[in-house]
Amino acid sequence: DSGVTQTPKHLITATGQRVTLRCSPRSGDLSVYWYQQSLDQGLQFLIHYYNGEERAKGNILERFSAQQFPDLHSELNLSSLELGDSALYFCASSPPGTSGGLLNTGELFFGEGSRLTVL
Amino acid sequence: SQQGEEDPQALSIQEGENATMNCSYKTSINNLQWYRQNSGRGLVHLILIRSNEREKHSGRLRVTLDTSKKSSSLLITASRAADTASYFCATDVDNYGQNFVFGPGTRLSVLP
Repeated sequence: DSGVTQTPKHLITATGQRVTLRCSPRSGDLSVYWYQQSLDQGLQFLIHYYNGEERAKGNILERFSAQQFPDLHSELNLSSLELGDSALYFCASSPPGTSGGLLNTGELFFGEGSRLTVL
Repeated sequence: SQQGEEDPQALSIQEGENATMNCSYKTSINNLQWYRQNSGRGLVHLILIRSNEREKHSGRLRVTLDTSKKSSSLLITASRAADTASYFCATDVDNYGQNFVFGPGTRLSVLP
C-alpha cells in the first residue's frame, strides 16, 4: 500500500459526459502528479501540483482540468468525454523537499489508479 | 515524443536467469528512476540514480547510468516468476524536477 488513495477505482460513462477523479496523497506529501496510461500512448504526464499551486503541465487536454485543495487532495475533471479518453488515470505524490524545489531528490508514490471506460 | 525509451519492449526469460532492460533518454537529467508495474496496478518505485552516479545496487537490482550516452540499464539477477511485470524508466525533464516523463516500458515475463 503506497498510502495514495484514488477514487473511484472503476468508472463507466458515456461520450459527452463529465467525470471527476479524486486523489488523496500520502500524509505529509505536498506534491500531486496526474498521469494517464493507455495502451497506445503509454504513461503520459498530465499535470503537477505542489501545495495547491500548479507547477508543471504536460499533455493535458483543454477538456481536462485539475486542482489541489487546501487539504492537499486533488481532483482531475474530465469533460466532453470521448472514446479515446478511456484509460487508467494515476495520481502520485512525493515527499516535501523532493519536488517543487531546486532539485528533485525523491520518488513518486502511485495510487492504484482509476480505470475510466467511455462507451 | 517520449523522453525515455526502454529496450526491449518485451523480454521473456526462465526463472533464475538475469534480465537486462535498457533506457535511453534525450535531454540532460538530474536523476533517473526505475519503476515496476504489475498488470493494471499502480507503479512502484524501485531505485533512483542521480546524474553524478554511475552505478547503484538494491538487493537483486543493479542500475547503471551513462550520461555521455544518455542511457541507463536495469539488471535483475536471479529472476523469479514474481518479477513478471512491466518496468519503466522515468526522467525529470526540467531543472526543478517537476515534470517526470516515463518511457513506454519493458514487459518482462519470467517463466517458471
